[in-house]
Amino acid sequence: DAGVIQSPRHEVTEMGQEVTLRCKPISGHDYLFWYRQTMMRGLELLIYFNNNVPIDDSGMPEDRFSAKMPNASFSTLKIQPSEPRDSAVYFCASSLGDRGPGNEQFFGPGTRLTVL
Amino acid sequence: DAKTTQPPSMDCAEGRAANLPCNHSTISGNEYVYWYRQIHSQGPQYIIHGLKNNETNEMASLIITEDRKSSTLILPHATLRDTAVYYCIVRVAVSGNTPLVFGKGTRLSVIA
Repeated sequence: DAGVIQSPRHEVTEMGQEVTLRCKPISGHDYLFWYRQTMMRGLELLIYFNNNVPIDDSGMPEDRFSAKMPNASFSTLKIQPSEPRDSAVYFCASSLGDRGPGNEQFFGPGTRLTVL
Repeated sequence: DAKTTQPPSMDCAEGRAANLPCNHSTISGNEYVYWYRQIHSQGPQYIIHGLKNNETNEMASLIITEDRKSSTLILPHATLRDTAVYYCIVRVAVSGNTPLVFGKGTRLSVIA
């Protein structure tokens, strides 16, 4: 299994531009999570999906952020317009939700976003 | 989720056991203790979890005190590749899934 796949691995953009981050979860997993990591705030949840349906988006910073999961094998996180304070590493994780306490989350390698 | 307290950093000599403590004095009866680690520039990686009994897997051992207010993650023979930030997370484990709430973790440095 290839694990969770994220693209791009690095993204440098200018303030005001639209940014789209992509995630392919592990096949068969029914939960997908988007986390963001910064030096100031550490790792924090942005949004998560179950069976392609958003369950909790309370961590999404503001309306500039949006996430979709059109099917079980693909999710996007979009920032429009981007701002320098959005610079962070964005992680996608997936898990199989029916294993009770053994439902570990598998993380992708992350996308390092730099907004100039 | 209950909060956890971990030392910000620890050193360990290569080949020796690394014992990483975690305090979770407000843990509830239905909350599990999970450990994840994050090696530099990588995504977090699951290590182990437990409810009240000690647990062991191929990566580590987890010792939970009888009152469940604290736990210790043990890496029996630390290697340089174990240098990472280790996160202790307390979390309700239900039939579905819940997000992970990360604290600041412990930065473990394994020294040759």
